[in-house]
Amino acid sequence: GAVVSQHPSWVICKSGTSVKIECRSLDFQATTMFWYRQFPKQSLMLMATSNEGSKATYEQGVEKDKFLINHASLTLSTLTVTSAHPEDSSFYICSARSGARGTEAFFGQGTRLTVV
Amino acid sequence: QKEVEQDPGPLSVPEGAIVSLNCTYSNSAFQYFMWYRQYSRKGPELLMYTYSSGNKEDGRFTAQVDKSSKYISLFIRDSQPSDSATYLCAMQGNTPLVFGKGTRLSVIA
Repeated sequence: GAVVSQHPSWVICKSGTSVKIECRSLDFQATTMFWYRQFPKQSLMLMATSNEGSKATYEQGVEKDKFLINHASLTLSTLTVTSAHPEDSSFYICSARSGARGTEAFFGQGTRLTVV
Repeated sequence: QKEVEQDPGPLSVPEGAIVSLNCTYSNSAFQYFMWYRQYSRKGPELLMYTYSSGNKEDGRFTAQVDKSSKYISLFIRDSQPSDSATYLCAMQGNTPLVFGKGTRLSVIA
């Protein structure tokens, strides 16, 4: 399957600082990338969908000013958690899709964010 | 009723057993059905991908989709301790992927 690389795999930051997470598709061009959040023993919750060169579409309840998404190229999307607080601590996962809806979505390894 | 229902388990089986994992759904627009395996603190890994109804086999894994019953299954034959993970079903129509909660599976040697 296609490879999606996510970096960093884990990060600890102080409350009030910002953290950037990168998601790269290594061997295909990702027209669409998705950002998910996963709490312990819970399923993946979609935060936002981003198409290359367009503004991201955020799911209801997700603050777009807090979770900044940039999809500047067909192989890179970034999620920046701004002014992080302890309640933002979670497992963040990106996925990328190469073509039309219904094609397989491949996931990154995830980033465990801990805000202290 | 949630769009996708999946028993979270945990499910514990002896090595070599046949494992059956299931999801039900309510949205008849779903056409694409996936099963993902997720190890602890890792991203989901795509196991099986099926379009519409029918069966698909890949090694020890078989995915079944019954759209008339809105029911999908994943069977694991000759289960191994390395199969111990959380298995998530996911499906899609004209919306982004919708995931089940995941079933935690433990295969005991």
